[in-house]
Amino acid sequence: EAGVAQSPRYKIIEKRQSVAFWCNPISGHATLYWYQQILGQGPKLLIQFQNNGVVDDSQLPKDRFSAERLKGVDSTLKIQPAKLEDSAVYLCASSSNNEQFFGPGTRLTVL
Amino acid sequence: AQSVTQLGSHVSVSEGALVLLRCNYSSSVPPYLFWYVQYPNQGLQLLLKYTSAATLVKGINGFEAEFKKSETSFHLTKPSAHMSDAAEYFCAVSGGSNYKLTFGKGTLLTVNP
Repeated sequence: EAGVAQSPRYKIIEKRQSVAFWCNPISGHATLYWYQQILGQGPKLLIQFQNNGVVDDSQLPKDRFSAERLKGVDSTLKIQPAKLEDSAVYLCASSSNNEQFFGPGTRLTVL
Repeated sequence: AQSVTQLGSHVSVSEGALVLLRCNYSSSVPPYLFWYVQYPNQGLQLLLKYTSAATLVKGINGFEAEFKKSETSFHLTKPSAHMSDAAEYFCAVSGGSNYKLTFGKGTLLTVNP
C-alpha cells in the first residue's frame, strides 16, 4: 500500500513570495490533515478535511494561508505572501478510523 | 480541550540501557493516546496507540507504554536501547469525534555506544 505522498520535499523562497504544497493521501482515506512543524516543536494542526469539506481550520492563519481539496482526494496548501516565521516543515496526514499516517513533509525556508 | 506535556526535551542513554520517555496529558473526554517517532528528514511513524482497551500497549521495535488514568500519564519504555532508536519521539492525544491530534513538543533520544 502506497503511503502519503508530498511534494516538493524542499522549498526555499524569499519573504512576500507565494508557495504551494501538494499532498496525495492514502487511497480510500476520507480524512486529510495539514500540520505545521516549527523546528523544536511538535506538529500543530492547520486544517482538517473530511472528503472535500473543512472540519477544522481554527488554527489556519487565513489572511495568508489557504487550502483546498476539491475532489476529495489530493490537497494543496498555499501561503501568500510568506513571512520569515512560516519557515517550518509542513506535514500532510490521512487517516483511517483513529490512526493518522504521515507523509515525509515539505521543508520550507523563507529568507 | 486537550494538551500534552513531555518531560525532558532531550534524553540520553547508553546502548542496552532502559529507555523511559515521559508523557502526561490533559483531556476533557476519554483520550486516545499515541506515540510517534520521527527520524531526521522523515515524517512521523506510529509506534503505538491506546484506544481504551488494554492499559499496557505494545508497539513496534520493542517499545511499550502504559496508560495510567490516575496519573494522567502515558510513558514510553523500552528495556534495552539500540543505536537505531536514536530519533525524536512525540506523544499525542486525541479526543472527540474528529480525532484531532494534539502533540507534545517532543523528546530527542540519543543513544551512546
